[in-house]
Amino acid sequence: KAGVTQTPRYLIKTRGQQVTLSCSPISGHRSVSWYQQTPGQGLQFLFEYFSETQRNKGNFPGRFSGRQFSNSRSEMNVSTLELGDSALYLCASSWTSGTTDTQYFGPGTRLTVL
Amino acid sequence: AQKITQTQPGMFVQEKEAVTLDCTYDTSDQSYGLFWYKQPSSGEMIFLIYQGSYDEQNATEGRYSLNFQKARKSANLVISASQLGDSAMYFCAMREPPRNGANSKLTFGKGITLSVRP
Repeated sequence: KAGVTQTPRYLIKTRGQQVTLSCSPISGHRSVSWYQQTPGQGLQFLFEYFSETQRNKGNFPGRFSGRQFSNSRSEMNVSTLELGDSALYLCASSWTSGTTDTQYFGPGTRLTVL
Repeated sequence: AQKITQTQPGMFVQEKEAVTLDCTYDTSDQSYGLFWYKQPSSGEMIFLIYQGSYDEQNATEGRYSLNFQKARKSANLVISASQLGDSAMYFCAMREPPRNGANSKLTFGKGITLSVRP
């Protein structure tokens, strides 16, 4: 079974631009979560989607948004990019959102904002 | 307060030896899940092992085992027979029950860097 895929793998943008990242979960998984990883803040939860609905959200400004499609694929969008948005963005999928459910991660998208 | 604490600085281990990576957690819930992930320099987060709060036996997966001490709120990862490919960052994470109408999420520790020496 194919793992979680993320596109693109690398991205370079300039301040003020917007960016859209894509995530395809493992087949059959309905929950998709997004995380931001930076050297200073570590891994921080952005949001989680389940059955096309946002079910949880982390403490990020409204510039960060996402959505999930009927095939469980998810996209996240960052508008008006800032230098501090440079990070590794990781997507993870799981069957459900239960406490026993393992999240499987994709390879990540490395975003650099100049 | 930190929910997941990983305080060890960079760890070093000789190839073929065992190593223990420490993790303590904080929760008031009775039901929760504990996970360990490995992140090589490539960046991908690789799932290693899971322990449920109600599991009476320590989890094992190949060379990985989890030393779960519920009363002490610790979930240490033990890697036996270390290999050069084990050199990576290791993260402990916890998943608590849903609350306030929101689904549960993974909360990560800051990670531990492990270097395996030949």
